[in-house]
Amino acid sequence: SSELTQDPAVSVALGQTVRITCQGDRLRSYYASWFQQKPGQAPVLVIYGNNNRPSGIPDRFSGSYSGNTASLTITGAQAEDEADYYCNSRDSSGNHLVFGGGTKLTVL
Amino acid sequence: EVQLVDSGGGLVQPGGSLRLSCAASGFTFSNYAMTWVRQAPGKGLEWVSTISGGGSTYYADSVKGRFTISRDNSKNTLYLQMNSLRPEDTAIYYCAKDRGWQSEVPDYWGQGTLVTVSS
Repeated sequence: SSELTQDPAVSVALGQTVRITCQGDRLRSYYASWFQQKPGQAPVLVIYGNNNRPSGIPDRFSGSYSGNTASLTITGAQAEDEADYYCNSRDSSGNHLVFGGGTKLTVL
Repeated sequence: EVQLVDSGGGLVQPGGSLRLSCAASGFTFSNYAMTWVRQAPGKGLEWVSTISGGGSTYYADSVKGRFTISRDNSKNTLYLQMNSLRPEDTAIYYCAKDRGWQSEVPDYWGQGTLVTVSS
């Protein structure tokens, strides 16, 4: 089982705000990152270091964390945001990456 | 522009071997850690292995002792030698560039190459 826990599915109305969460004890010690994956495509990094956005990622994507929970927030969700979202951090050794089980986001 | 082109996947029998390659361009390859991540059909992402810019290697427990990650900085190419393959190794394998010289987070991904382990 994954050391990072995500809700399997979340839905949001077009234009509304949605928060996707990721829980795990390792998040108290290591940064969380978030990846977006659309069907048939490779993952894309959307947030790193808990709350940093790579160039080219729309500013409607933001990250935050508190205690053992990291969150990805999409403010004003668009149809093209419908995708699977995976959180990522490290295991207790610090040398191994771990992924959450993924959250399927549906934009209604 | 960063480009990563994965290749080498295919159908292999259980117990067989396969070597994946990832040709990199658009960045100074030797300055960055590189990672392999896999995704079984219909499943989530699973980290497989990382090699730092200095050549330190790290493996998931599920592949340790069977898979070997390596890099040829003169050819800007990352490799994954996979031995003693099992049906549960069936997946799309993605190579990814890291943000740093040591393992930090993968920021660019290849298109993936499919490995199918079946008799």
